Amino acid sequence: QVQLQESGPGLVKPSETLSLTCSVSGGSITSYFWSWIRQSPGKGLECIGYMHYSGSINYNPSLKSRVTISADTSKNHFSLNLSSVTAADTAVYYCARAQEKWLVDYYYYMDVWGKGTTVIVSS
Amino acid sequence: SYVLTQPPSVSVAPGQTARITCGGNNIGTKSVHWYQQKPGQAPVLVVYDDSDRPSGIPERFSGSNSGNTATLTISRVEAGDEADYFCQVWDTSGDHWGVFGGGTKLTVL
Repeated sequence: QVQLQESGPGLVKPSETLSLTCSVSGGSITSYFWSWIRQSPGKGLECIGYMHYSGSINYNPSLKSRVTISADTSKNHFSLNLSSVTAADTAVYYCARAQEKWLVDYYYYMDVWGKGTTVIVSS
Repeated sequence: SYVLTQPPSVSVAPGQTARITCGGNNIGTKSVHWYQQKPGQAPVLVVYDDSDRPSGIPERFSGSNSGNTATLTISRVEAGDEADYFCQVWDTSGDHWGVFGGGTKLTVL
């Protein structure tokens, strides 16, 4: 059974880069798509980006200029970098496995989630 | 961008049926997915592709989708069903991105 675990600093200073890692156990990241989602009181659940280890990566248009998602198959984990953070980036960050389906066009839903990690942006 | 509208709260007595709606323009043409989130926990997928259930999800959870409204139905509601429920679709027009509803708090009286 696939399990995901987020890790990274819980406190990040404004203007710095938020960096998180999602470790995948019970399965290989070379299968499926993988995603980052965040949840804040002000904006609810928000998809940040999703990727396939082959190099297919897509970012939320509203965050695209600040986001980088990458995978390390040797460590079976994938990572999120979000640059130039502000207080608005304070949220619980989740990693999740994304299922890809087709209906007129590709679409995705998240069937396995990590427990989430809280990131506070503050000086 | 595509907007999903959910009622902030729904209340139901134990043993009764809860219906949580998710409104969106022609949402019936999209696949709708539902997540349950209990306090302090990550979301859990309870219905995908409008009406399919992942393994381990009770048959009491069902979904439907038509026109401008998708509905998550929870039959024979139990105290343990009290949670926030979120709908999600993939907006294949415009930004081509995942969209979540604002969530509905289900209270079991």
